Amino acid sequence: ETGVTQTPRHLVMGMTNKKSLKCEQHLGHNAMYWYKQSAKKPLELMFVYSLEERVENNSVPSRFSPECPNSSHLFLHLHTLQPEDSALYLCASSQVLDYGYTFGSGTRLTVV
Amino acid sequence: GESVGLHLPTLSVQEGDNSIINCAYSNSASDYFIWYKQESGKGPQFIIDIRSNMDKRQGQRVTVLLNKTVKHLSLQIAATQPGDSAVYFCAEIITPYSGGSNYKLTFGKGTLLTVNP
Repeated sequence: ETGVTQTPRHLVMGMTNKKSLKCEQHLGHNAMYWYKQSAKKPLELMFVYSLEERVENNSVPSRFSPECPNSSHLFLHLHTLQPEDSALYLCASSQVLDYGYTFGSGTRLTVV
Repeated sequence: GESVGLHLPTLSVQEGDNSIINCAYSNSASDYFIWYKQESGKGPQFIIDIRSNMDKRQGQRVTVLLNKTVKHLSLQIAATQPGDSAVYFCAEIITPYSGGSNYKLTFGKGTLLTVNP
């Protein structure tokens, strides 16, 4: 356990479903990140929250909607996804300006 | 475009041998580099980092070498063990001290290291 917990570990959803991914960190960090990891592709940065404010939205489609209610929790709301959105979604946290991110184990998402 | 890449997608070594995983980067402005290890079913774990004002940094059984002349980064693992089997990523960032964004940690595709008993 790294201190960053992601739930659920696995998720299968239809293209018309709405679901949410949850990330929780107990490390006292003040920055949180969502990354997408697809097969044979580098990790792709999706969103960054620093001090609970979104500071990066890396051209992510609007069917992905992040939420950061406090510095310990991060959500990724999913709506009307496509099969190509199937991937491992990783959450990470750090102190602002500290680049040694701590990652969670990810949510394996399959869109059918 | 600017990117981080890896020379070999897979590397197979015998237990006890030394492993060398390579990484090439193209952005000469990058001033901080990190190696991550990702085991099956887990997220990436920080291994070791190095700043651009250094050529070498050592940790426990791992050494990172940075050659800024040819924009090359390597991770050396001494006495490789079965528990070292994983995908290894290098990542680069241009820190605010060098005029970069705070958050643009760019990852390479990864090298799969397999340790044979």
